Amino acid sequence: GENVEQHPSTLSVQEGDSAVIKCTYSDSASNYFPWYKQELGKRPQLIIDIRSNVGEKKDQRIAVTLNKTAKHFSLHITETQPEDSAVYFCAASRRDTGRRALTFGSGTRLQVQP
Amino acid sequence: GAGVSQSPSNKVTEKGKDVELRCDPISGHTALYWYRQSLGQGLEFLIYFQGNSAPDKSGLPSDRFSAERTGGSVSTLTIQRTQQEDSAVYLCASSSSQGKWDIQYFGAGTRLSVL
Repeated sequence: GENVEQHPSTLSVQEGDSAVIKCTYSDSASNYFPWYKQELGKRPQLIIDIRSNVGEKKDQRIAVTLNKTAKHFSLHITETQPEDSAVYFCAASRRDTGRRALTFGSGTRLQVQP
Repeated sequence: GAGVSQSPSNKVTEKGKDVELRCDPISGHTALYWYRQSLGQGLEFLIYFQGNSAPDKSGLPSDRFSAERTGGSVSTLTIQRTQQEDSAVYLCASSSSQGKWDIQYFGAGTRLSVL
């Protein structure tokens, strides 16, 4: 089955700096890669996703890149703000099979210092 | 309802007791997923429903765990003879399955504590 590795497990940055979180996956057939943000005690919320037919996607201060050959994808947050502090999870799935479940990374705790 | 609803939000039980956790998906969403999140860990897939059938149960950790979905809507996850290692947050998600790229929306979860 799919295995997703996520690094780093914790990340502390100064407000205004950039943050980068990296994930690798094992199943070359995976073709959907969402990122979820989970604030303390809250539900995971989708912040951005990328499909295997594109290499990069951007939404304001957030961008995701995908390298299918190397089987890794990354989340980039620019101009970080204290409200970006949360745990971020990457995930992967194969959307064209009967198993649409997401395989998640172990999470990155991002702390943005004011 | 606007989002995925789960109940109860918290459940404390004694080891050996059975528990039922409920998930009410977003109206019209045909796909429903259960995940488990242990303290400080990522989300672990348990079971996936498409309508009332479960094409993928591969994540259920033991035969003490079962789930059903009726009327293509509400789902119940049952854990029999609970053990301390079952303590976790149980999250439910639903998606519309309108195409390949359906987004999963999560509920707030049920925090299960087995004493």
